[in-house]
Amino acid sequence: NAGVTQTPKFRVLKTGQSMTLLCAQDMNHEYMYWYRQDPGMGLRLIHYSVGEGTTAKGEVPDGYNVSRLKKQNFLLGLESAAPSQTSVYFCASRDAARIEAFFGQGTRLTVV
Amino acid sequence: DQQVKQNSPSLSVQEGRISILNCDYTNSMFDYFLWYKKYPAEGPTFLISISSIKDKNEDGRFTVFLNKSAKHLSLHIVPSQPGDSAVYFCAAPLGQTGANNLFFGTGTRLTVIP
Repeated sequence: NAGVTQTPKFRVLKTGQSMTLLCAQDMNHEYMYWYRQDPGMGLRLIHYSVGEGTTAKGEVPDGYNVSRLKKQNFLLGLESAAPSQTSVYFCASRDAARIEAFFGQGTRLTVV
Repeated sequence: DQQVKQNSPSLSVQEGRISILNCDYTNSMFDYFLWYKKYPAEGPTFLISISSIKDKNEDGRFTVFLNKSAKHLSLHIVPSQPGDSAVYFCAAPLGQTGANNLFFGTGTRLTVIP
């Protein structure tokens, strides 16, 4: 029972580099989310998806892009990383009939 | 503007005693409230929820109380155990598309002292 799996767990990027974070869920959930967590702040929504092929902006979408080509995968891309994107990123998924979301273990990203 | 607020960054409690974690909210449109628990280097895990039509929900050692008039909820852990030491987040879902984005508080770090 893997649940929500994020890849990679850690990454260090140089300013201007690009990367993609992968989120995979095996619970057949319709909804998927990408959050970031910064010190002294709660988790903030970056982008979300209500189904395969759909994406929408959350609270802090600037500098990020997402894609959901398959129901089980939700990708978060950084085209040109900036130090302000240093954070811990969490992916989550949720069944449409339930309130609670299930989270991955997080990806700690440092941009230098 | 923070719609869900946890004003206590940390709390220390002796093992066996009660832990009370507090949360305030500003948006009266919230229909549910959730508590998540987070250990270091792990993702948040769902703990307990409460509907806005109830004022109490209990699950084992965990009870959540909701006071709608005060826009306040609290999580009670009785008795507290060392394994309860973690960061606790209060969250509330809200959304027009059905996606029901979760709005999180800033978290309270609970330390249970053996």
